[in-house]
Amino acid sequence: GQQVMQIPQYQHVQEGEDFTTYCNSSTTLSNIQWYKQRPGGHPVFLIQLVKSGEVKKQKRLTFQFGEAKKNSSLHITATQTTDVGTYFCAENRDDKIIFGKGTRLHILP
Amino acid sequence: EAGVAQSPRYKIIEKRQSVAFWCNPISGHATLYWYQQILGQGPKLLIQFQNNGVVDDSQLPKDRFSAERLKGVDSTLKIQPAKLEDSAVYLCASSRGATQYFGPGTRLLVL
Repeated sequence: GQQVMQIPQYQHVQEGEDFTTYCNSSTTLSNIQWYKQRPGGHPVFLIQLVKSGEVKKQKRLTFQFGEAKKNSSLHITATQTTDVGTYFCAENRDDKIIFGKGTRLHILP
Repeated sequence: EAGVAQSPRYKIIEKRQSVAFWCNPISGHATLYWYQQILGQGPKLLIQFQNNGVVDDSQLPKDRFSAERLKGVDSTLKIQPAKLEDSAVYLCASSRGATQYFGPGTRLLVL
């Protein structure tokens, strides 16, 4: 079925650097959700965006939903070692979550 | 509030054996999901229950996988017989709205 595409697949950054992951769809999304999965852990819901052009912030995390509702981004400012993990975007369609393949973030000390 | 509980946490079996996983959702959550997460990929929905009824099982390999939620609370997922490609983490999640809450998962290794 239709899946949201995420880039990059992997990202290594120095601690303190910024990080961005992008999510793209060929069709209009009804919403976009972001999850974080720590190594060996389970996905944890971070946020849901619904409106065109919506921007939400959670401390050092900034989430954006594109004007056409076909793309989204997650930006982390000044990464810390606790940010390590895989970040998934997903669409909630009729209470079914369709996940992207995720971006794995590795922090270099 | 207690989270989603799953057991066992780890399981190693040989191919062609059977295995069962158990999930107890968050109290009051009517919707329950089973996902399969293969290493390096995002979770893939296997089956979705609303109370004790199946909402979506289109991606469940029904020749070997089965799931039930008889009383609308706990759920079990069974694989019989297992194949090597079934090695994955099996995640259970529950929801009462847009947010899904995931359990810790069962890590299955098929040898």
